[in-house]
Amino acid sequence: DIVMTQSPLTLPVTPGEPASISCRSSQSLMHSSGYNFLDWYLQKPGQSPQLLIYLGSTRASGVPDRFSGSGSDTNFTLKISRVEAEDVGVYYCMQALQTALTFGGGTRVEIK
Amino acid sequence: QEQLVESGGGLVKPGGSLRLSCAASGFNLRDHYMAWIRQAPGRGLECISYISGTGNTIHYSDSVKGRFTISRDTATNSLFLHMKSLRVEDTAIFYCARDWAGISHAFDIWGQGTVVTVSS
Repeated sequence: DIVMTQSPLTLPVTPGEPASISCRSSQSLMHSSGYNFLDWYLQKPGQSPQLLIYLGSTRASGVPDRFSGSGSDTNFTLKISRVEAEDVGVYYCMQALQTALTFGGGTRVEIK
Repeated sequence: QEQLVESGGGLVKPGGSLRLSCAASGFNLRDHYMAWIRQAPGRGLECISYISGTGNTIHYSDSVKGRFTISRDTATNSLFLHMKSLRVEDTAIFYCARDWAGISHAFDIWGQGTVVTVSS
């Protein structure tokens, strides 16, 4: 199975400031289509996860444009341009290339 | 409105069985892959099974293979997870999730989850 590693484990953020989360995969997630098969999800406290980004950099419907995904092959980044209080929660990356879909361990974003 | 509602969770003894249900509304299961994703207490997410819109493609994680069975009823637009030989480590919130119907997997709609507790 592809192993997904996220960092940091916890990210204290200041509202209005940018934030960045890293996700690395044990194998390249580049598909023959030219897309990276990498998703980002946010699980807000007490809620189900929600899709933020798919195909490495495409924002899901209704996701604010302060969220952006970048990277390729084995190194990916989720950036929040200006953090808002409602962005707190645990962020997960997930590889969608192999049949056995696997998630990273999560990064908890909290307000300083 | 597109929605998923899970049910069927509860307390079960080790070695026992349980059937989870997921009622879909606002879209047709036949148009999407569907998955069961679980989250053990205080832990991350694990995709344990998914089924294609046609029902011809099914995948299980190694952790549940041979013990869990995914199925669906297109007449009622419902997804199921039959679980047997349950273990303490199967204790988790079980989410039903819809795949976005694109070239990859991306779960764009999630249910609220149903809690399964395996304990003697």
